Amino acid sequence: NAGVMQNPRHLVRRRGQEARLRCSPMKGHSHVYWYRQLPEEGLKFMVYLQKENIIDESGMPKERFSAEFPKEGPSILRIQQVVRGDSAAYFCASSPGAPDLRNEQFFGPGTRLTVL
Amino acid sequence: QKEVEQNSGPLSVPEGAIASLNCTYSDRGSQSFFWYRQYSGKSPELIMFIYSNGDKEDGRFTAQLNKASQYVSLLIRDSQPSDSATYLCAVNTRGSTLGRLYFGRGTQLTVWP
Repeated sequence: NAGVMQNPRHLVRRRGQEARLRCSPMKGHSHVYWYRQLPEEGLKFMVYLQKENIIDESGMPKERFSAEFPKEGPSILRIQQVVRGDSAAYFCASSPGAPDLRNEQFFGPGTRLTVL
Repeated sequence: QKEVEQNSGPLSVPEGAIASLNCTYSDRGSQSFFWYRQYSGKSPELIMFIYSNGDKEDGRFTAQLNKASQYVSLLIRDSQPSDSATYLCAVNTRGSTLGRLYFGRGTQLTVWP
């Protein structure tokens, strides 16, 4: 049973380019969460999505960042016009159902974004 | 602002000892609590979750929750060098943000042989 899959694992972009990060949840999971981990800092929530719906995007920067989870295919986190401060590890997590007391979230291996 | 605080560490214990990791949270509406382990350069791995006051045991791990004191801890018995990692405390609150987890910055644990 494959776990959460993310690609690419490493991504290098120059300032001003676009970064696209992909996440395929665990089989049977329909809820996806994106977190960012800056060097020497904790994980910070960015966005929570279900298929075709953004449930909570309160952690997303107001500009340049967007996320989607289409009916078919992986969830995508898109960062436009990247800046050096976007360099971080981006983790995707998935859970099987609507959040409740358990809300176990299982993390993918992450995408390490480096902005030159 | 919902905050999750962990003792900063690093924490160093000898093999076979009990490692005690602590976490406090600011939001009294917090409902469930998670401990993740993260090896350097790897993704967080869920160890345990707890949502009722008291203790919950799973193998060498025991999670303890005290909602009145807004405190959750993780005890690792018979610590092994393979337990050396950063341990992340995460908290889930009710309401519209039920999906999101708030993480502490983690406590780095080293178990020396």
